[in-house]
Formats: sequence, C-alpha cells, structure tokens
Amino acid sequence: QKEVEQNSGPLSVPEGAIASLNCTYSDRVSQSFFWYRQYSGKSPELIMSIYSNGDKEDGRFTAQLNKASQYVSLLIRDSQPSDSATYLCAVNKYGNKLVFGAGTILRVKS
Amino acid sequence: EAGVTQFPSHSVIEKGQTVTLRCDPISGHDNLYWYRRVMGKEIKFLLHFVKESKQDESGMPNNRFLAERTGGTYSTLKVQPAELEDSGVYFCASSLQGQYYEQYFGPGTRLTVT
Repeated sequence: QKEVEQNSGPLSVPEGAIASLNCTYSDRVSQSFFWYRQYSGKSPELIMSIYSNGDKEDGRFTAQLNKASQYVSLLIRDSQPSDSATYLCAVNKYGNKLVFGAGTILRVKS
Repeated sequence: EAGVTQFPSHSVIEKGQTVTLRCDPISGHDNLYWYRRVMGKEIKFLLHFVKESKQDESGMPNNRFLAERTGGTYSTLKVQPAELEDSGVYFCASSLQGQYYEQYFGPGTRLTVT
C-alpha cells in the first residue's frame, strides 16, 4: 500500500464547475498536508496547506482534512481551463520530508 | 523575492560520467531539500539540510550520490558515476524553520543518462 494514494484521473470537468480531488494517507502520525499544482514540464507549485481537521478556504480553493478517516480533499470552484494540471497531494509526517501521491490529472473543458 | 533556483535546467551525460546539480534556496530559508522524480513514479525525497547539516538523508539511493551545503547557503548534488537509472527530474525545495514546513520548489534539473 502506498503511503499517499490519489486517483490518477484524468478528472474532466466543464468550465465553471466544481472540481473535487481526493487523497488518502496511511500513516496516522501525519501532521501537515499540502496540495501542489504541477503544469506539464514545470515544478510543483504550492497552492494549499492544511493542518487541522475541517475546511480551509483560499479564493476558489478549499482544502478539507479529516484525520479520523485519513482523508484530504481539494475543491476548486468555478474551474477554469487554466486550472488544467496535475494536482499532487503531499503529506509531512515529522516536519521534514514530504511524501507525495502520484497526482491527479485535472482537465477543465471550455 | 527570488524563488528557488536550480542549475542546470537540463543535463545529458553518458553512463559513468559525473554530474553536479546546484540549488540556491530562497534567501533566509534554513531548510533545503532534494527530491527526485523518475519516469512514471511519484516525487521521492532524497535528503534534507538544516543550514549546513544533513538532517535526514534516508532517501539517498546509494553512495554514488553526494550532497553538500557548505556555508548553509546553496547546495550541490553530485552523481558519480552516473547510471542509466539515475535519469529523472531532480527538484530542490526550501522552507523556513517552523512547525508547518511549507516547502517551495525550484524548477528542477532534468538529468538524462545515456
């Protein structure tokens, strides 16, 4: 079992819709959780971080964390074609190394 | 504020040769990390520096890889001798000291070993 699991996709949504990306992790001691966006051939770009159970909103992005279920999600409202990218879930256990999922490809169709 | 920079952006070398990758972290970031993504796989942690000290090098694949961070500023990652399986994209990231360790990534170095 991988430490961080994501559906590889692609997830296709129409422009203006809500995109929902999901991630599960196996280690209960995980402390902090991150979503990165990666365009093809580019580096991962940090878009959201979350540390406590519940929701955290930043513009069109909402991260949700449920530590009891070991589940993290990212909602993108009003999806735009420019949101088309690979979204990486990363988990930080002991304050240093990140463990990444394989990423979910998101395609927003105009 | 300048982001994390890496040099070179792309390197093509033959098996058995040596390559040195460089990373300049965001100014003021004591934490520096190296990661690698090989074709079709997840991004994997290699090692972590706090200033000039190696905090965690559990992800280094073998002793052909040597990382340094003299003076606690930029870091180098040397692969000697390179093997075919070393091909991939090498990312550097940096973060401030603190509880939540938000890491910011550089553009990466694409290494191709032929």
